[in-house]
Amino acid sequence: GESVGLHLPTLSVQEGDNSIINCAYSNSASDYFIWYKQESGKGPQFIIDIRSNMDKRQGQRVTVLLNKTVKHLSLQIAATQPGDSAVYFCAETDNAGKSTFGDGTTLTVKP
Amino acid sequence: DGGITQSPKYLFRKEGQNVTLSCEQNLNHDAMYWYRQDPGQGLRLIYYSQIVNDFQKGDIAEGYSVSREKKESFPLTVTSAQKNPTAFYLCASSIEGQSVAFFGQGTRLTVV
Repeated sequence: GESVGLHLPTLSVQEGDNSIINCAYSNSASDYFIWYKQESGKGPQFIIDIRSNMDKRQGQRVTVLLNKTVKHLSLQIAATQPGDSAVYFCAETDNAGKSTFGDGTTLTVKP
Repeated sequence: DGGITQSPKYLFRKEGQNVTLSCEQNLNHDAMYWYRQDPGQGLRLIYYSQIVNDFQKGDIAEGYSVSREKKESFPLTVTSAQKNPTAFYLCASSIEGQSVAFFGQGTRLTVV
């Protein structure tokens, strides 16, 4: 079946550096992708999304890139801060809101 | 404030007992979802409902049951048939036709 996965389970960066979190997906028919942030003991929070007809979308300090040729999604966080430490999930979502999640990447920001 | 409320935050039950997890939302969302999260893993869909009095099985529905009698409420029952019920359970909701889900804070269920 379809699956969404992340390349690395953990990522450690220095405060102020840029972070890049990667995700590979397998369902080429997916129409919509979302990045969520989950802090310890809490539910995931929406960060940014991108439709399959786009290559790039920018938010505040975050950018999502979509490469449909290789079925790859990435989340870039600029000037990473300690408050960015969390688990980041990419999700492939259909138009009914039903999402398939990857296993997550734990981002640790060192002061 | 608008949002999704899950209760309780922590729940302990003896093996063989059924237990019901509460999920209430005041966002006026049509769709609601239950996910299970195990340590170091992503979320897996248990059940979802797009409209009152209707729901569908997700990827891991065995051993679980739900009801959707009201738009605001989507309780999940973990039955004794669920072989490994200890996990973190997340409820979410979304506007019909839109993909972004809003999550509750989760219920951590421990079965001893």
